[in-house]
Amino acid sequence: GIQVEQSPPDLILQEGANSTLRCNFSDSVNNLQWFHQNPWGQLINLFYIPSGTKQNGRLSATTVATERYSLLYISSSQTTDSGVYFCAVGNSGGSNYKLTFGKGTLLTVNP
Amino acid sequence: EAQVTQNPRYLITVTGKKLTVTCSQNMNHEYMSWYRQDPGLGLRQIYYSMNVEVTDKGDVPEGYKVSRKEKRNFPLILESPSPNQTSLYFCASSPAGQWFQPQHFGDGTRLSIL
Repeated sequence: GIQVEQSPPDLILQEGANSTLRCNFSDSVNNLQWFHQNPWGQLINLFYIPSGTKQNGRLSATTVATERYSLLYISSSQTTDSGVYFCAVGNSGGSNYKLTFGKGTLLTVNP
Repeated sequence: EAQVTQNPRYLITVTGKKLTVTCSQNMNHEYMSWYRQDPGLGLRQIYYSMNVEVTDKGDVPEGYKVSRKEKRNFPLILESPSPNQTSLYFCASSPAGQWFQPQHFGDGTRLSIL
């Protein structure tokens, strides 16, 4: 199956700092999503981005499918950005609709 | 309100006692899926369903069963739970014709099997 690696595993920031999270994957994909798991355990979808660039407020994401990686940018971080960020990928070729998650990046934003 | 509802939210039980975790969505989604989350391992897909009566294995299906008799419901069944199934479980749904679209997650079920 597809392998997903996220880096860094842990990241500590001061409020207001910017950060970049990376997701590498081992095969071609037609589904790539970024999720945020808040400290209460809720999973929120941030982006569906199998290719290209998207922005939503202070967050943006870029996927370079040909080079098999995706980046999540967080600008002017806030304490509410703390939590775990997951990348998930899938390829529906062969009618396989599995989604594979990376192990996540634990982000801590200090006031 | 659009939501995915899991029950129970917390359960402590003993080895071998059959249990069912229910999942229901009110968005008329075709695609539903179960994941387990363990420390250091991220989320791993257990089973998914593309529509009623259509289910398929994810990456870690051993020890679990699912059924999809109605579009809105996708229960996860542990016939003979064991301690290695202690975990945090999530159900998710999305429109199947748009599998590529964001998945909506339930709030999770924390299972402890003694």
